[in-house]
Amino acid sequence: EVQLVESGGGLVQPGRSLRLSCAASGFTFDYYAMHWVRQAPGKGLEWVSGISSNGDILDYADSVRGRFTISRDNAKNSLYLQLSDLRAEDTAFYYCAKDHCSGRSCYWFHPWGQGTLVTVSS
Amino acid sequence: DIQLTQSPSFLSASVGDTVTITCRASQGISGYLAWYQQTSGKAPKLLIYAASTLQSGVPSRFSGSSSGTEFTLTITSLQPEDFATYYCQQLSTFGQGTKLEI
Repeated sequence: EVQLVESGGGLVQPGRSLRLSCAASGFTFDYYAMHWVRQAPGKGLEWVSGISSNGDILDYADSVRGRFTISRDNAKNSLYLQLSDLRAEDTAFYYCAKDHCSGRSCYWFHPWGQGTLVTVSS
Repeated sequence: DIQLTQSPSFLSASVGDTVTITCRASQGISGYLAWYQQTSGKAPKLLIYAASTLQSGVPSRFSGSSSGTEFTLTITSLQPEDFATYYCQQLSTFGQGTKLEI
């Protein structure tokens, strides 16, 4: 069974940094692109970032480009998101999601982790 | 950037009904559209991809179709577990969501 488990969320002050992790199991991790999607409380879904299967292609939403960094460690079956210069509007549940397609990225997300909550507040 | 406009934003229905949710793209996207279901407090779940391909394990009462830049999610014979929020998505863009309520 494919499992994605996020961790690293919490309460952080504006301007500070945080690193999210996503532990993957149940599939050949280095075959698939991976993504981060967030959801502010009571709001809709917002794609944040994606990384190719071997980590050579990175993609970001305009709202986070230059502040967030996605990475992966295929030896550890893990995905990361480094959040820097955090703002109140970054407050959200952050989900990691596996790309549905093997090899190339098709940007269909299945499955998703349970999410980790990041709260940016002083 | 492509924009996706879902309608309606809220939909009230009853168990056993058939409902349709529409997602309109601001430009052609060649059928590259997915639908997700999110129940309260849970992560989204992929229902349909490539506009009309049912994800494995998803009940056949869910179906997707397309006509040009207009995409449709249809749920027939609504079940209690279908009352949720539905999102369309194309690449890095999500629609704003449709909340299906009893």
